[in-house]
Amino acid sequence: GAVVSQHPSRVICKSGTSVKIECRSLDFQATTMFWYRQFPKQSLMLMATSNEGSKATYEQGVEKDKFLINHASLTLSTLTVTSAHPEDSSFYICSATTGTNIYGYTFGSGTRLTVV
Amino acid sequence: GQQLNQSPQSMFIQEGEDVSMNCTSSSIFNTWLWYKQDPGEGPVLLIALYKAGELTSNGRLTAQFGITRKDSFLNISASIPSDVGIYFCAGQYTGANSKLTFGKGITLSVRP
Repeated sequence: GAVVSQHPSRVICKSGTSVKIECRSLDFQATTMFWYRQFPKQSLMLMATSNEGSKATYEQGVEKDKFLINHASLTLSTLTVTSAHPEDSSFYICSATTGTNIYGYTFGSGTRLTVV
Repeated sequence: GQQLNQSPQSMFIQEGEDVSMNCTSSSIFNTWLWYKQDPGEGPVLLIALYKAGELTSNGRLTAQFGITRKDSFLNISASIPSDVGIYFCAGQYTGANSKLTFGKGITLSVRP
């Protein structure tokens, strides 16, 4: 149990375009989802926390207008990178929790975004 | 934001050896977690610790929640090649929905 599916696993886009990444909890209801960014050989940096049905809470320094997060249902959260630039190229990872058990902190398999 | 302290950045061991990794913090955590990340994948939970002093095993892995609640260690016994990866510790303050604070990770290499 506690599977999180993230899609796509890899995406290449042109500068100035937008890219949407999906994070789905397959066998549980995720009251809270987290979005992380990871640069090579570095740790996970939390970007934002999203609770179902409410606005996401962004970490300091993360542009909310650039990284749009929607958590419209208990099984789906999306991250949209708007007007992407090469410096947005990174590994993006989501995680989800049921809010009742630490084992709900399950991570997706990540999305490698390359902006050319 | 705050990060947990993990060092060294890389460790190299021989297959069959044991290895221990520490994680320290200047703040108290209520929960400690250890994750392993393979290249191009998301982290996978190895062990979760909920009480100070708790010692928990998962196969060849053993982890402890420090008495001061400011540290934890992970021990891998009889290492095998598939133990290669990045090991992250993470701490959680309070609440089942609260965010995790991650260490910088330790890259483990196992020589056959």
